[in-house]
Amino acid sequence: GAVVSQHPSWVICKSGTSVKIECRSLDFQATTMFWYRQFPKQSLMLMATSNEGSKATYEQGVEKDKFLINHASLTLSTLTVTSAHPEDSSFYICSARDHRGISGYGYTFGSGTRLTVV
Amino acid sequence: GEDVEQSLFLSVREGDSSVINCTYTDSSSTYLYWYKQEPGAGLQLLTYIFSNMDMKQDQRLTVLLNKKDKHLSLRIADTQTGDSAIYFCAVQTDSNYQLIWGAGTKLIIKP
Repeated sequence: GAVVSQHPSWVICKSGTSVKIECRSLDFQATTMFWYRQFPKQSLMLMATSNEGSKATYEQGVEKDKFLINHASLTLSTLTVTSAHPEDSSFYICSARDHRGISGYGYTFGSGTRLTVV
Repeated sequence: GEDVEQSLFLSVREGDSSVINCTYTDSSSTYLYWYKQEPGAGLQLLTYIFSNMDMKQDQRLTVLLNKKDKHLSLRIADTQTGDSAIYFCAVQTDSNYQLIWGAGTKLIIKP
């Protein structure tokens, strides 16, 4: 089945530094990838939708200059949290959809990245 | 826009059946999913159902869809301790590929 690899699984960084999270589709091409954020005990919040070769579409309230998304190839999307602050600490999850649009497979999720900013 | 609601907690005894409910508002929803999230982990697709189906069974899992009431349920038979997790209902409409998520139901298993 479709597999999405997300790295790193967890990261601790100092306030003011930048952190890059990678999301790779291993056995399929993902024209569309989604980035979610999850606060403790809350549901997923969609941050942005990225399409290969074009700019990401950000949800209202998400700072595009702070959360840089790059989807340069059909198998890789990255989320960079720039100038991270403690309030950016969260669980970030990516999701990819098979470009063949076989809806029955649903969406494939990465294992998530727990970011802690100190 | 679409709104998806779930109750936040469900407590069941080991060996009993668990029924997790989900309601949604958009009648044009086409695909409805159940995901499982274990602590600290990503999401795992458990099962899905198309809007033209009423029921789908997959081993211990049974999904029921009532389109008239816009109600979706997930039944887990013979609930085990390994079923402890948060279960998310997610709904997709034809208009885009985005999923609208419920808040998640935490399933608590009592010995």
